[in-house]
Amino acid sequence: DAEITQSPRHKITETGRQVTLACHQTWNHNNMFWYRQDLGHGLRLIHYSYGVQDTNKGEVSDGYSVSRSNTEDLPLTLESAASSQTSVYFCASSGGASYSDTQYFGPGTRLTVL
Amino acid sequence: SQQGEEDPQALSIQEGENATMNCSYKTSINNLQWYRQNSGRGLVHLILIRSNEREKHSGRLRVTLDTSKKSSSLLITASRAADTASYFCAFTGGGNKLTFGTGTQLKVEL
Repeated sequence: DAEITQSPRHKITETGRQVTLACHQTWNHNNMFWYRQDLGHGLRLIHYSYGVQDTNKGEVSDGYSVSRSNTEDLPLTLESAASSQTSVYFCASSGGASYSDTQYFGPGTRLTVL
Repeated sequence: SQQGEEDPQALSIQEGENATMNCSYKTSINNLQWYRQNSGRGLVHLILIRSNEREKHSGRLRVTLDTSKKSSSLLITASRAADTASYFCAFTGGGNKLTFGTGTQLKVEL
């Protein structure tokens, strides 16, 4: 069955370190998204991609970067981790032609920055 | 903020009762979706209603959309303990992205 996976599921790191969160989907979806979820803020979009070599900034993109070299993967990199980036991160994908189509979510990565 | 507002923030009911949660938004939309999130898990899509639809059903779920009031409601009938989760609305508003509501935490007690 097609799925979307994230790794690691839990990560503890120190301030200033570079961290990369992996997202892999086997739906063959063109569209992929990264969100962070924090109490009181709901889900906020970090970056998104509508296809290979395409990346776009979301509403909370500062301090994060993504690259899309193939259809299946959209890794999220925190260039220099900050305590404010402690959060739960979700990757999602969708196959429709529109950004408003149904999204399929991964299980999440809980990141703690000390 | 373009974020949707959900009401109530938390809801506790007995098994077998109906649960109703509401979502309000501020912009024109193409469609509105509802997602469920079990504790510690990712979001799961429940239902999508298009802007030209007023009501949609899926199993025990009933969604209504009132574009004149910029609001939607999700009704879960005959609730079960397994329905305990957080429920989020999501809509396309203000730019090419899906905007999520703040969520309603539903607890269904035996």
